[in-house]
Amino acid sequence: SQKIEQNSEALNIQEGKTATLTCNYTNYSPAYLQWYRQDPGRGPVFLLLIRENEKEKRKERLKVTFDTTLKQSLFHITASQPADSATYLCALEGYSTLTFGKGTMLLVSP
Amino acid sequence: DGGITQSPKYLFRKEGQNVTLSCEQNLNHDAMYWYRQDPGQGLRLIYYSQIVNDFQKGDIAEGYSVSREKKESFPLTVTSAQKNPTAFYLCASSTPEGTGGSGYTFGSGTRLTVV
Repeated sequence: SQKIEQNSEALNIQEGKTATLTCNYTNYSPAYLQWYRQDPGRGPVFLLLIRENEKEKRKERLKVTFDTTLKQSLFHITASQPADSATYLCALEGYSTLTFGKGTMLLVSP
Repeated sequence: DGGITQSPKYLFRKEGQNVTLSCEQNLNHDAMYWYRQDPGQGLRLIYYSQIVNDFQKGDIAEGYSVSREKKESFPLTVTSAQKNPTAFYLCASSTPEGTGGSGYTFGSGTRLTVV
């Protein structure tokens, strides 16, 4: 069955550093992958999409890579700020819907 | 402003009762979805609808029902058959091809507690 893995342990980093989150998947050949941000008690918010034929995508301080051979996506936040603290979810295209990973919590300390 | 509205934000239900969660969108999206989120479990798909008057079961549809009589509305009923209904429920919408483009737009969720 399809499986998406994100690091369940929270990632703690200092303000100004680059945060890197990982999303691994198995038994998938998705045409694209998406990343979302979720704050406590709120719905997820769409951040970025990367297609299978794209190796890298950037949006402001965010960068996503997609390696279909390794079946892995990396999500980077450069110059991180305390306001970036949240849970980040990756999601893969399934049969007409998205399947979400469990998310990784990011904590950025001043 | 366009968006998705879920109501109520908090809902308490007695065991054996059915409850209906509201989801309304004014984004003119064709597709709508219901997910359930439990601590440590991530989002799990309950039902989805890609067009009015049509919907499909997701991974955990048992004990739930939906309707899609209008494009803007996709209410979810949690029936008494749902064995563990306490959870955070999220509604989302997207354009048909837009799951690949602009992603899903989520509501702010309804937290259901069985008392």
